[in-house]
Amino acid sequence: SQTIHQWPATLVQPVGSPLSLECTVEGTSNPNLYWYRQAAGRGLQLLFYSVGIGQISSEVPQNLSASRPQDRQFILSSKKLLLSDSGFYLCAWSVQAGRALEKLFFGSGTQLSVL
Amino acid sequence: AQSVAQPEDQVNVAEGNPLTVKCTYSVSGNPYLFWYVQYPNRGLQFLLKYITGDNLVKGSYGFEAEFNKSQTSFHLKKPSALVSDSALYFCAVKVNTGGFKTIFGAGTRLFVKA
Repeated sequence: SQTIHQWPATLVQPVGSPLSLECTVEGTSNPNLYWYRQAAGRGLQLLFYSVGIGQISSEVPQNLSASRPQDRQFILSSKKLLLSDSGFYLCAWSVQAGRALEKLFFGSGTQLSVL
Repeated sequence: AQSVAQPEDQVNVAEGNPLTVKCTYSVSGNPYLFWYVQYPNRGLQFLLKYITGDNLVKGSYGFEAEFNKSQTSFHLKKPSALVSDSALYFCAVKVNTGGFKTIFGAGTRLFVKA
């Protein structure tokens, strides 16, 4: 069966420090991968999505970047965190890049607090 | 622009009563519509989806949703609410922009009172 791992679960970082959040998927190949941010326990904002290794689409201009060094690995990074980067970050995947019919499977999320 | 709207921030229902969580969408082409639920401090879980066919879609935990093309709506319903249904509910639409991505509504918080 397929599983998604996201870590760490919580993170407290000072302003100006770097960030690296990692997400891995097991039990499937060539998934679509996504990073979402949820602010204040409400709406989800799509940050990045990837349809293949090295292919990253950015949805909004921001202080963050994403990379997909391997088929089932998706990394969210920042060189210097801002206060506004605080939030709940969710990684997700869906099967078979290019198909519209498939649902998203979400990781358990990372609560990031930038102080 | 393609979007999803959930007009209610919060819905309050008494246990045992029917519940409705509203969703409207705006997309070009055929819509692929989804409902997800989020419990506190957790990731989202899939409830149900509409791709084509019967306008009434049945999903997990007794939930169902009705697709209405003329009203561009996809409201989530349950005949009898449970306290354990209290959570944050998201309507979503999948769009094709060279790779499929999912756009979420702002979410509706459901409170079911005993």
